[in-house]
Amino acid sequence: EPEVTQTPSHQVTQMGQEVILRCVPISNHLYFYWYRQILGQKVEFLVSFYNNEISEKSEIFDDQFSVERPDGSNFTLKIRSTKLEDSAMYFCASSEALSGAVTDTQYFGPGTRLTVL
Amino acid sequence: AQSVTQPDIHITVSEGASLELRCNYSYGATPYLFWYVQSPGQGLQLLLKYFSGDTLVQGIKGFEAEFKRSQSSFNLRKPSVHWSDAAEYFCAVVGYSSASKIIFGSGTRLSIRP
Repeated sequence: EPEVTQTPSHQVTQMGQEVILRCVPISNHLYFYWYRQILGQKVEFLVSFYNNEISEKSEIFDDQFSVERPDGSNFTLKIRSTKLEDSAMYFCASSEALSGAVTDTQYFGPGTRLTVL
Repeated sequence: AQSVTQPDIHITVSEGASLELRCNYSYGATPYLFWYVQSPGQGLQLLLKYFSGDTLVQGIKGFEAEFKRSQSSFNLRKPSVHWSDAAEYFCAVVGYSSASKIIFGSGTRLSIRP
């Protein structure tokens, strides 16, 4: 069964450094998402991406964050200058966008645990 | 604003016993509701979803959920749990006005007693 993959599984970085989290969505999917889960807290929506542009973003997704689909298979989340509070599990998801994103199932990857020291 | 509440942080049930996980939502219009499961080291897997129609929804792994508009609830049930059901369960909602943003509850951790 096709699945969303994410690399790395665990990333440790120093505060102020840039990190890029990588995701490979399911191949025929057109809608891509990033969510994060700070330890002990809820899973929170960050951003959705469709047709090579951001479709929707949350208030968390400030100028320090960016997303990109650099080629036909990868979808990346970049944090320019990491802060301690960026430590979290980051989940990528994708959906087919057949009939509109609201009714499409979002398939989630296993997550990347980001630790900012 | 849309929100989802899962009042139980942690539940322990015996293997073979029935299970009900509670979920209440807050949303003005007809919500689209989901239950996801997260096993250790795994991503979030969709168990079932409700968009419209029959209020009793069947999902994978023997789970079902019932949408009750009068109680703003969408509780997850399973008649007989297996040890492999131990995981974190998330109720979630997406609103038509915010098509792509899933709003998750805080989760309920399920432990299975042998």
